[in-house]
Amino acid sequence: EPEVTQTPSHQVTQMGQEVILRCVPISNHLYFYWYRQILGQKVEFLVSFYNNEISEKSEIFDDQFSVERPDGSNFTLKIRSTKLEDSAMYFCASSALITDTQYFGPGTRLTVL
Amino acid sequence: EDQVTQSPEALRLQEGESSSLNCSYTVSGLRGLFWYRQDPGKGPEFLFTLYSAGEEKEKERLKATLTKKESFLHITAPKPEDSATYLCAVPNQAGTALIFGKGTTLSVSS
Repeated sequence: EPEVTQTPSHQVTQMGQEVILRCVPISNHLYFYWYRQILGQKVEFLVSFYNNEISEKSEIFDDQFSVERPDGSNFTLKIRSTKLEDSAMYFCASSALITDTQYFGPGTRLTVL
Repeated sequence: EDQVTQSPEALRLQEGESSSLNCSYTVSGLRGLFWYRQDPGKGPEFLFTLYSAGEEKEKERLKATLTKKESFLHITAPKPEDSATYLCAVPNQAGTALIFGKGTTLSVSS
């Protein structure tokens, strides 16, 4: 069964460093998303991406964040200068159509020291 | 503002003790309601999608129902392996993002 994969599973970084989180969405899906979940809190939307453009972004997704689809299979989230409050689980998701079911990856746990 | 509210926050059941989880929403023009299961440290795992009031979906011991203002996830004769956090989500008005509730953490003891 097709699934969304994410790497790395755990990333530890120093405050102020850049990190890139990687995702491989389900192959025939057209819509891609990033969400985050701070420990003990709800899953929060960051950004959606379609046709090589951002469709929507939340207030969390400020200038420190960027997304890219560098090739036909990968989808990345870059945090330019990490802050302590960026520590969270980051989930990638994909869907075939815009209001279709979103399938989530296993997540990357980001720890900022 | 679109909102999703789940209750209860936590639920403890004995094995075999059936119960229901609630998800109420305020988004207008509902474009679907999604139930996910999340195990600790894992990503949300898709369970059901409901699109219209009156719709029901079943999977093993779980049944999801939808009305115009809320959805229920019924758990019949639960087992310890059903222990997890159950998340409810709805698309925003543009359909470009999911809005999640805080979830119900279910613990089933044998």
